[in-house]
Amino acid sequence: GQNIDQPTEMTATEGAIVQINCTYQTSGFNGLFWYQQHAGEAPTFLSYNVLDGLEEKGRFSSFLSRSKGYSYLLLKELQMKDSASYLCAVKDSWGKLQFGAGTQVVVTP
Amino acid sequence: ETGVTQTPRHLVMGMTNKKSLKCEQHLGHNAMYWYKQSAKKPLELMFVYNFKEQTENNSVPSRFSPECPNSSHLFLHLHTLQPEDSALYLCASSQEDRSSYNSPLHFGNGTRLTVT
Repeated sequence: GQNIDQPTEMTATEGAIVQINCTYQTSGFNGLFWYQQHAGEAPTFLSYNVLDGLEEKGRFSSFLSRSKGYSYLLLKELQMKDSASYLCAVKDSWGKLQFGAGTQVVVTP
Repeated sequence: ETGVTQTPRHLVMGMTNKKSLKCEQHLGHNAMYWYKQSAKKPLELMFVYNFKEQTENNSVPSRFSPECPNSSHLFLHLHTLQPEDSALYLCASSQEDRSSYNSPLHFGNGTRLTVT
């Protein structure tokens, strides 16, 4: 079956770095997405990886290893506003998007 | 104007009621989606419309009935729901292109549904 795994919750201090891991087993692979969702709000697109390696966008970076079925989202210089749920999603060979349950990141002062 | 707008934001309904959720996208996208989000669970895809044609129905109970009158509007009609249907219902849109898979979803803020 298809499976997307990510930790349920992570806590980190303002200014620190947090790495959210995502492992996946899907029917084929056509890219991996990361979304951010603040409580009571819409998920918003953060990044897309389809080739191995690191994609950097300001304080956020996303890494992919297709051979290991593994990705991570790296949040640097954490700010209080980064407290949110982070969703990992994989597009399978049929073009269907499979979501993980999300990782709740709590940033403390 | 936000890209994807959903109304209402909150809805409380009894099990015998009939209600509808509305979604409108202002992004010119050609695909629209309904997702169900329950606490601590992955987003569940319910329905997909590409070019106004329903292309996906993930074994959703018939008490949920989608309608897509045009490429900008999507409805979810609700009838005789169960308490376990209480969840956040998210609408999304995207620009689908058969030659690439990198089109992200644009979500609305959702309708928080409570069935009593």
